[in-house]
Amino acid sequence: DAGVIQSPRHEVTEMGQEVTLRCKPISGHNSLFWYRQTMMRGLELLIYFNNNVPIDDSGMPEDRFSAKMPNASFSTLKIQPSEPRDSAVYFCASRAREARGETQYFGPGTRLLVL
Amino acid sequence: GNSVTQMEGPVTLSEEAFLTINCTYTATGYPSLFWYVQYPGEGLQLLLKATKADDKGSNKGFEATYRKETTSFHLEKGSVQVSDSAVYFCALSDIQGAQKLVFGQGTRLTINP
Repeated sequence: DAGVIQSPRHEVTEMGQEVTLRCKPISGHNSLFWYRQTMMRGLELLIYFNNNVPIDDSGMPEDRFSAKMPNASFSTLKIQPSEPRDSAVYFCASRAREARGETQYFGPGTRLLVL
Repeated sequence: GNSVTQMEGPVTLSEEAFLTINCTYTATGYPSLFWYVQYPGEGLQLLLKATKADDKGSNKGFEATYRKETTSFHLEKGSVQVSDSAVYFCALSDIQGAQKLVFGQGTRLTINP
């Protein structure tokens, strides 16, 4: 299996621009998670989906952030408009099923720099 | 609420030294416990896990035992290598938290030859 695929791997943009991050989970997995990692705040869960339905978006920092999962094999995280404080590494992870001991598999991340 | 507290880093050791990274947790119910590792420039990978009390997870020479009485899941390795240099995250998953992972702050480990 190819694992979780994220694109782009690196993104540099200017403040005010729209940014779209993409994720393809492992085939057959029914849960998908978006995380943000910064030096100051560590690893934060932004939102997660079960069976393409958003379950908990309490970690989404503000209305500038939105996430969608139109089907089981694709998800996007959009920031509009972007700000310098959004600079971080964004990880997508997927899990086979909703069970306590199930492993989450992480993608390689998208390193975002907003100038 | 659920939380995980890890030993603060960074930790620097010489090759072949013994490693312990402490992890304690607070959770309702009976959580599953995980150690993830993040190598430079990569995403997190599962290192090992334990799903019930007294279970021992092990992988690549690393071990951790689920201790319910002390609410701990300390990571150990008898002889570290330079290639073990990475950031290590302790995490828990509890049905009370809708099975989300709650991560510790991470511990950066550097092994010198």
